[in-house]
Amino acid sequence: KNQVEQSPQSLIILEGKNCTLQCNYTVSPFSNLRWYKQDTGRGPVSLTIMTFSENTKSNGRYTATLDADTKQSSLHITASQLSDSASYICVVSKGNTPLVFGKGTRLSVIA
Amino acid sequence: GAVVSQHPSWVICKSGTSVKIECRSLDFQATTMFWYRQFPKQSLMLMATSNEGSKATYEQGVEKDKFLINHASLTLSTLTVTSAHPEDSSFYICSARTSGYSEQFFGPGTRLTVL
Repeated sequence: KNQVEQSPQSLIILEGKNCTLQCNYTVSPFSNLRWYKQDTGRGPVSLTIMTFSENTKSNGRYTATLDADTKQSSLHITASQLSDSASYICVVSKGNTPLVFGKGTRLSVIA
Repeated sequence: GAVVSQHPSWVICKSGTSVKIECRSLDFQATTMFWYRQFPKQSLMLMATSNEGSKATYEQGVEKDKFLINHASLTLSTLTVTSAHPEDSSFYICSARTSGYSEQFFGPGTRLTVL
């Protein structure tokens, strides 16, 4: 069964701290993996996209990793800011078929 | 580039009425558009896929007569929730892509509240 599991479900961190979000998937065949940021009441916004051959990709303070062998990905956020408070969704694509979404990790950054 | 808009951003309606939500690709031609529904603290759930000029393909469990989808042009798709009921209250998000394996771009969502 094609699934994307994310952990933790929610996370609270202090402003300025780093954090890492996890994503495990069983989707096959694998085309690419994306991390999205979704602010409350808004649509998802793409942070990174990685294909099978890519291990790491950065976008500012966001760094995503991918281990296609173990089917795991992580999203690392450095020097967190209050505006990073949002849900972070891991999405796996099988190609020209519907995307498989994780339930997301709800991150709260507090002062 | 690659901007998708939705209108309205939120809507409140009475039970039994119909509501239309528009999804527009502003700077690209969207051969395929997707409609999702998202309940609080849940992931996005695909409702249907529509290709320009053809009938939408609905996911299992989604009533096609209740959620009418029209994709009449390469920049516009509409979702009409007919005879809305309180259980239809949700956050509806559309996405669009140009073709094949290209990335989907998501709209900002529409909050529907049925009283």
